[in-house]
Amino acid sequence: NAGVTQTPKFQVLKTGQSMTLQCAQDMNHEYMSWYRQDPGMGLRLIHYSVGAGITDQGEVPNGYNVSRSTTEDFPLRLLSAAPSQTSVYFCASSYRQQGFDGYTFGSGTRLTVV
Amino acid sequence: AQSVTQLGSHVSVSEGALVLLRCNYSSSVPPYLFWYVQYPNQGLQLLLKYTSAATLVKGINGFEAEFKKSETSFHLTKPSAHMSDAAEYFCAVSDRGGTASKLTFGTGTRLQVTL
Repeated sequence: NAGVTQTPKFQVLKTGQSMTLQCAQDMNHEYMSWYRQDPGMGLRLIHYSVGAGITDQGEVPNGYNVSRSTTEDFPLRLLSAAPSQTSVYFCASSYRQQGFDGYTFGSGTRLTVV
Repeated sequence: AQSVTQLGSHVSVSEGALVLLRCNYSSSVPPYLFWYVQYPNQGLQLLLKYTSAATLVKGINGFEAEFKKSETSFHLTKPSAHMSDAAEYFCAVSDRGGTASKLTFGTGTRLQVTL
């Protein structure tokens, strides 16, 4: 089925470890983004990309890195995990043309940093 | 900068009662507005969107929302709640109309439906 696929679904990391959250979409969407969801804070934008080779920072980029080498994939890297990065992470994608239809979200990655 | 305020982090209604979830936005230009629903342990699903056409927008599952520029509001309603509507609802605003861009989300409203 077409959509946004996130892996893994669950992850426990130790403080200081690094890891990559994977996101892939098969809808040929130009726009992709990463959000984190924390209780009482809604979703906050970490990084986004308007196309392959183009990325930019969102509201809470510190401690995260992204790259976009293909249209399909948009991995999120945690450089040195901290307990403050315990959260649920969502990847989203959309077409970028006029008549924006809203984003398609993945099912999330629940990350715990101990 | 765009922002969204959702009044009430928790709303409880009886099954069959009216659902009203409030959303107010601030924007310097005509915005695109969205409501998303999140069921437990799932991602977000688009309920409906306002893109500067009709001010009354109908979405999935019987939900609708009315864009009121004078009140800077985009409240979500459903005439009759069903147990399956229990979920968290997020209002969101786009900072540029017409093309995909950064979405700014509200803090969410958790809807509880009781018998």
